[in-house]
Amino acid sequence: QKEVEQDPGPLSVPEGAIVSLNCTYSNSAFQYFMWYRQYSRKGPELLMYTYSSGNKEDGRFTAQVDKSSKYISLFIRDSQPSDSATYLCAMSANTGNQFYFGTGTSLTVIP
Amino acid sequence: DGGITQSPKYLFRKEGQNVTLSCEQNLNHDAMYWYRQDPGQGLRLIYYSQIVNDFQKGDIAEGYSVSREKKESFPLTVTSAQKNPTAFYLCASSALGLAGGANTGELFFGEGSRLTVL
Repeated sequence: QKEVEQDPGPLSVPEGAIVSLNCTYSNSAFQYFMWYRQYSRKGPELLMYTYSSGNKEDGRFTAQVDKSSKYISLFIRDSQPSDSATYLCAMSANTGNQFYFGTGTSLTVIP
Repeated sequence: DGGITQSPKYLFRKEGQNVTLSCEQNLNHDAMYWYRQDPGQGLRLIYYSQIVNDFQKGDIAEGYSVSREKKESFPLTVTSAQKNPTAFYLCASSALGLAGGANTGELFFGEGSRLTVL
């Protein structure tokens, strides 16, 4: 079983839609959770970072962590064509230790 | 601006040649990482380092070598022993610190280096 599972998509939505991206994980020791946006041929850009459980909001983006279910989500409100990218989830157990990544979900927002 | 600089962005290599990818960070991070990204696959860890003059192998270290002589620099050499080196290589860094402390645990990436073997 992989440490982190993420549906690769592709996901296609109309502009203005709410997008929900999800990852599940198996290691209960994970406590740092991240979401990245990666455009084609570019490095991943850190979007959201959450320590332990709970929600975090930043503009149109909301990250949720449910440690009891080992499930994390990223919501994008009022999606824009510029949100079209691959979204990666990542997590780790301790600072400076190894990070574990999902394979990424490809998102296209149609104008 | 603080960040991670990778160079070159694009590199072509003939079979049998070693090449070195540069990674420099000015974030004052202790930990640095090299990942390989192939189409349709997740990120795979090549090497990582938590302190100067020390580094550990990741999942796919064979055919690669690294050094960490300075805190801000973590170059990766792709040797001729690497059988399938054509890929997108990503350098990353993170801070070490107390769990839950400010600005700890986040992993930041450079823009990547695309290596093509001819």
